[in-house]
This record gives sequence, structure tokens and C-alpha cells, in this order.
Amino acid sequence: NAGVTQTPKFRVLKTGQSMTLLCAQDMNHEYMYWYRQDPGMGLRLIHYSVGEGTTAKGEVPDGYNVSRLKKQNFLLGLESAAPSQTSVYFCASSYGIAGGYNEQFFGPGTRLTVL
Amino acid sequence: GIQVEQSPPDLILQEGANSTLRCNFSDSVNNLQWFHQNPWGQLINLFYIPSGTKQNGRLSATTVATERYSLLYISSSQTTDSGVYFCAVEWPASKLTFGTGTRLQVTL
Repeated sequence: NAGVTQTPKFRVLKTGQSMTLLCAQDMNHEYMYWYRQDPGMGLRLIHYSVGEGTTAKGEVPDGYNVSRLKKQNFLLGLESAAPSQTSVYFCASSYGIAGGYNEQFFGPGTRLTVL
Repeated sequence: GIQVEQSPPDLILQEGANSTLRCNFSDSVNNLQWFHQNPWGQLINLFYIPSGTKQNGRLSATTVATERYSLLYISSSQTTDSGVYFCAVEWPASKLTFGTGTRLQVTL
């Protein structure tokens, strides 16, 4: 069981470039999440998905898009990167039992720098 | 939105000492998790604890949901305990809201 994996681990972009971060989980979880962590802060939710083919906005969605074409994968896209998007990005997943057990498990993170 | 406050913000301990970290939240929540972020940035699940008390080795946690707080106890601290400890509450449903963390440094 690999759990939650993220690719790439590091990336440097120039302002205006685009990229996609890939998250994969092998725990058959329904729910998946993308967070960002800025220096000295906790994580903030960008977008999330409650099942294959669904996506929804979190706390800080501007400048990002997501897709969940397969249950095990959740993609985060930056169409035109900005320096303000320099951050560490974490993916997470959970069983998503409404009102019940919903422990989230996190990937190792992707460190993104936008110059 | 909900406010999640952690205290203390920073803590320095000598190896072998005990400590208590606190998490206060401003509204009723479905669940609460404690995480350890190690110096390499990895988030490690410590406890999933909507209420009651749980123990795992030298660590234990207590959540009193009716009074909107949770405590994380670290006993006989080791240098490998260093890092940042986050609590996160499930609010609104199925989504985690994180506190700002307690940065712990354990020295020899």
C-alpha cells in the first residue's frame, strides 16, 4: 500500500507558465482534497472532490482548476502561474462517510516555486 | 468561519520532559485530528479523536467536544518529537480547518 502519492516532488516555474500536479491514492477512498501550506501557517483547502467526476471549491480556489476523472486520481492545475502561488501543495484522501469516520491521510507534498 | 487556535505557538523542551499542547475551536465540529509535521515536511497522522481519550505510546490525546477543546500530551520527549504539531477540525462537513500549529524543539 503506497497510500497517497504526489508527483512531482519539486517544481520551479516562471510567471505565466502552466503545470499539473498529480495525486494518486490506492486506499479506495471516495473523497480527495488539495491543500496549500504557506510558510509558518497551517494548511488551507483549495479544492476537493466527493467522488469520481465531482469537484468543489474550498477556501482558496482562485487561480487553480481540478479534475477527478478516475476515483484514484485527483489533478490540480495552474493555468497561468503567479509568484503568489509559491507554496507547498498537499493532497489528501478519506473514506468520506458522511457524519462518520472521515480521517484524512496526506501525501508527501509538492514544493512549487514560481519566479 | 470557524476559528482554531493552538497554544503555545512555540515550545522548547529538554529531552525527557513532558508537555501539553492545546487546541481550542470556536464552533461544534464533527471530528478532530492531530498531526505531526516533521522537519522534512511530512504530515503524520497522530490521532483521529472526535471525543474522549486515546493513547499511542508516549502520546495521548483528549477531546472535550462540549467545551470545544482538545489536548495533546507528549511524555518523555525525544529529539525525534521535534517539528510542528497541528490540530485540524472537520468543519464544515468532510473538510478540515487547520490551526496555526505549535512548533516544538526538543534539545539534548
